[in-house]
Amino acid sequence: DGGITQSPKYLFRKEGQNVTLSCEQNLNHDAMYWYRQDPGQGLRLIYYSQIVNDFQKGDIAEGYSVSREKKESFPLTVTSAQKNPTAFYLCASRAQSGRSLNTGELFFGEGSRLTVL
Amino acid sequence: QQQVKQSPQSLIVQKGGISIINCAYENTAFDYFPWYQQFPGKGPALLIAIRPDVSEKKEGRFTISFNKSAKQFSLHIMDSQPGDSATYFCAAREGDYKLSFGAGTTVTVRA
Repeated sequence: DGGITQSPKYLFRKEGQNVTLSCEQNLNHDAMYWYRQDPGQGLRLIYYSQIVNDFQKGDIAEGYSVSREKKESFPLTVTSAQKNPTAFYLCASRAQSGRSLNTGELFFGEGSRLTVL
Repeated sequence: QQQVKQSPQSLIVQKGGISIINCAYENTAFDYFPWYQQFPGKGPALLIAIRPDVSEKKEGRFTISFNKSAKQFSLHIMDSQPGDSATYFCAAREGDYKLSFGAGTTVTVRA
């Protein structure tokens, strides 16, 4: 089945450690996104990528890094510079506008919950 | 600073009742307004969406009402069912790629 796979589902990290969250999609979508979800704050955009080898900062990119070496993969690294990393992280993808009859629906993975100990 | 303001934060409705969630925005460049539904421990999924040239869109028990002049839009869930208990997010898109989300509304439907 086509979809987005995020791993791990749960992750614990000690302060000062970098961690990488995996996101893989087999929907053949060009655009991929990372959102952070905190209670009462909705979803905030961290980074997004419209095409392989290119990505842009979202609203809360500080302390995070990404790469887009393959169309299917968009890993997110939470660095030790991120002051409050405990959150639920969501990866999403979207077909490029103009190539699809839909209005650009975002397809989300099931999320990764990161807890800093 | 949130570009889309959503209210209420939570609501409880009896089975068969109507749930209403409201959203407001300031950016007139927004051109696409989707609603996403999220169940606990899962990612959000698109529920229904509207463009600003339409004042209302209905899909089954879910209706979006859109008021362009007031820069407000709302989701109505008719005949609410326990299976509708979830968190609902409104959102707005500017350009091709950037979607801004509201803070979310947790809906609880009591049987």
